[in-house]
Amino acid sequence: AQSVTQLDSQVPVFEEAPVELRCNYSSSVSVYLFWYVQYPNQGLQLLLKYLSGSTLVESINGFEAEFNKSQTSFHLRKPSVHISDTAEYFCAVSGMDSSYKLIFGSGTRLLVRP
Amino acid sequence: DVKVTQSSRYLVKRTGEKVFLECVQDMDHENMFWYRQDPGLGLRLIYFSYDVKMKEKGDIPEGYSVSREKKERFSLILESASTNQTSMYLCASSLGGGDSTDTQYFGPGTRLTVL
Repeated sequence: AQSVTQLDSQVPVFEEAPVELRCNYSSSVSVYLFWYVQYPNQGLQLLLKYLSGSTLVESINGFEAEFNKSQTSFHLRKPSVHISDTAEYFCAVSGMDSSYKLIFGSGTRLLVRP
Repeated sequence: DVKVTQSSRYLVKRTGEKVFLECVQDMDHENMFWYRQDPGLGLRLIYFSYDVKMKEKGDIPEGYSVSREKKERFSLILESASTNQTSMYLCASSLGGGDSTDTQYFGPGTRLTVL
């Protein structure tokens, strides 16, 4: 079984500042890792995912996340945030032994202020 | 683009009513999911369907049932709504084929209030 911990329920940050949203997971098997984003009044959409290979993965809008197996972490970072990045971000994990199941963290609300 | 639509954005029902939430996807996906989203709890899987008429219980199936008569449509049924089922309900779909690397595509959600 897998579990995901997002310790920060809300992260306020000023526009153009860097941000890191933390995600830690636990699993008895190897995993795939995902970050989903939920903009206000919308459903979730995939931001990026780690499946294999390079431990650093990037999204098209400047976010990146690094898979750290020894620390069982998959933190999400952006060097300079925009107002439009205000959203809720969910980390999710899927075990390689699972055909479909995604386990979601509790979410982190990123609030970007001007 | 994959489109997942849900029948209602907001719904208000009374305790004891039977409630139907409908979800439709237009990309011929095998897998469909129903989640509920509650503050501080993230998303929790209610039911999953991997084919027409096939379903599996998720983590919190109690008080819910599902129906998948056509590939593109997945319905969530609350047989007798209760106040603790007040929540945001999200439908999702994915390609399928037993691959846990699949991206899940989500609908906009239905906010259900049970009075």
